[in-house]
Amino acid sequence: KAGVTQTPRYLIKTRGQQVTLSCSPISGHRSVSWYQQTPGQGLQFLFEYFSETQRNKGNFPGRFSGRQFSNSRSEMNVSTLELGDSALYLCASSLVTGRETQYFGPGTRLLVL
Amino acid sequence: QKEVEQDPGPLSVPEGAIVSLNCTYSNSAFQYFMWYRQYSRKGPELLMYTYSSGNKEDGRFTAQVDKSSKYISLFIRDSQPSDSATYLCAFNAGNMLTFGGGTRLMVKP
Repeated sequence: KAGVTQTPRYLIKTRGQQVTLSCSPISGHRSVSWYQQTPGQGLQFLFEYFSETQRNKGNFPGRFSGRQFSNSRSEMNVSTLELGDSALYLCASSLVTGRETQYFGPGTRLLVL
Repeated sequence: QKEVEQDPGPLSVPEGAIVSLNCTYSNSAFQYFMWYRQYSRKGPELLMYTYSSGNKEDGRFTAQVDKSSKYISLFIRDSQPSDSATYLCAFNAGNMLTFGGGTRLMVKP
């Protein structure tokens, strides 16, 4: 069974731009969660989607948003990029609601200049 | 006080050693306890998952949970150079995971 895939793997943007990251969960998984990983703050929860609805949201500004499609694929968007948004963005999928085991993709490494 | 405390290391051990990794937590709502392994520039990989106090063994790995002390451990027996990675404890309450900062482990041949 194919794992979680994320595209693109690497991205370089400049301040003020916006970016969209994509995540395809494991086949049959309906919950997708997004995390930000930085050396200083570690892994932090952004939001979780299930059946195209945001079920939970972490403590991030409104510049961070996401959505989920009917095939469970998910995208996250960051608008008005700041230098501090440079991070590894990880997507994780689980079978139903995120309470079960979450499986992570390889991440998208975003560098904001 | 942070919800999860994990020593960042690095922890350096010789090949074949028994490794002990630990996390303490403060949130009584945490119901599920996990250990992830993350190699450099890769996503975290689930190693162990448990929801009850006690020990759970899987090959060379043993996860231990003490809910009364709010303390979890991961033991690695016969450590190998390929075990060199960052180990993250994670806790689930509801629909989100809360991670420790990770412990960097180096196993030297």
